[in-house]
Amino acid sequence: DAKTTQPPSMDCAEGRAANLPCNHSTISGNEYVYWYRQIHSQGPQYIIHGLKNNETNEMASLIITEDRKSSTLILPHATLRDTAVYYCIVRVEMRGSTLGRLYFGRGTQLTVWP
Amino acid sequence: GAVVSQHPSRVICKSGTSVKIECRSLDFQATTMFWYRQFPKQSLMLMATSNEGSKATYEQGVEKDKFLINHASLTLSTLTVTSAHPEDSSFYICSARVPRHIERQETQYFGPGTRLLVL
Repeated sequence: DAKTTQPPSMDCAEGRAANLPCNHSTISGNEYVYWYRQIHSQGPQYIIHGLKNNETNEMASLIITEDRKSSTLILPHATLRDTAVYYCIVRVEMRGSTLGRLYFGRGTQLTVWP
Repeated sequence: GAVVSQHPSRVICKSGTSVKIECRSLDFQATTMFWYRQFPKQSLMLMATSNEGSKATYEQGVEKDKFLINHASLTLSTLTVTSAHPEDSSFYICSARVPRHIERQETQYFGPGTRLLVL
């Protein structure tokens, strides 16, 4: 699996957009970018994923650069409850295989302040 | 998203005893589940991949005889920490992969975790 690089921490004011970057310069053509977050003492929560097109759901938007070497997770209106560690992970899509496992890096600690 | 549960949420046991943790997929059948461990202030570490009806696949450095995994049904995987010692105290988290016929990218959803304290 490709490795990812994320800043260790970021701050964001409540109500503002939080933009979390992720570098995955060694990503392969069939590797998806997944984003999860972990609020303290809880299991990770799925946020969004994408391959090469930008994606949006009710939680966030995912912007992937054209060369796919980096991506940005956008929380459009951050709230205090969005304070968490955000993990960017690349995963090979394998059909019916034990490959495609998720390996977590250190992630970005996002702190949303009032 | 899909729902994954774990039981118990926390457990305290004496050194040398065995502890079983259950992971259930509540609204889908999962042929593949995963077990992670997380120490304080560290990231999640994948321990093993649990496959329904077959042996688990362990990550390098994880003792398969110490961490027994059973995936006897499509909705249940269990992790048994055998002869637990204080250094096994950790946060254990499972995840389940949604099958392709439900979600094409087979997204993984995580349980709430089980906090194990070995005295």
